[in-house]
Amino acid sequence: DTAVSQTPKYLVTQMGNDKSIKCEQNLGHDTMYWYKQDSKKFLKIMFSYNNKELIINETVPNRFSPKSPDKAHLNLHINSLELGDSAVYFCASSQRASRVTNEKLFFGSGTQLSVL
Amino acid sequence: AQSVTQLDSQVPVFEEAPVELRCNYSSSVSVYLFWYVQYPNQGLQLLLKYLSGSTLVESINGFEAEFNKSQTSFHLRKPSVHISDTAEYFCAVSPLSGGSQGNLIFGKGTKLSVKP
Repeated sequence: DTAVSQTPKYLVTQMGNDKSIKCEQNLGHDTMYWYKQDSKKFLKIMFSYNNKELIINETVPNRFSPKSPDKAHLNLHINSLELGDSAVYFCASSQRASRVTNEKLFFGSGTQLSVL
Repeated sequence: AQSVTQLDSQVPVFEEAPVELRCNYSSSVSVYLFWYVQYPNQGLQLLLKYLSGSTLVESINGFEAEFNKSQTSFHLRKPSVHISDTAEYFCAVSPLSGGSQGNLIFGKGTKLSVKP
């Protein structure tokens, strides 16, 4: 069974559309994250949720909104997509809160978003 | 702010040869150090980490990395690689304090290609 699964794997869409990427973890972890990997391969944290509560919110346009219906799910909604949103987005989870930096992160396989 | 530099974007080697993947970082505060691996079509997985204590850390599959504070480096090494080690390797740091505490800052990644 996949520990951290995100869907879809590939997403191609037009500028201005609204899209969502779903993430689910079956590890019983308390904390989930969204990372963005840009064209230069830098992985930057976007959001972190601990038990459905937002604890990290980096400088991300408010067109991006995370939604956590329960602690096993953290979905990413993106409104009014722009060309610069094209990237690979990784979901991740860890047992405890992200401020405990020695926690092992488990990553999904990524969602490649292409905005045309 | 922290940054991570992986100088080599691609490293081709023959099977059973030794390999070193270089990682240098800069930070004004103390950091934890990590190496993550991404096998083809899979998510990122933690390979090894340095938190404190012995500066030489090892993984279960024969990789090791040594924290060198004076050179701000955390190079990854393996004395004899296998075909199955073909993957992309990411170095990452996490600051122990400050506003970015708990975040992971990744390098651009190094693609290791092991040839028979």
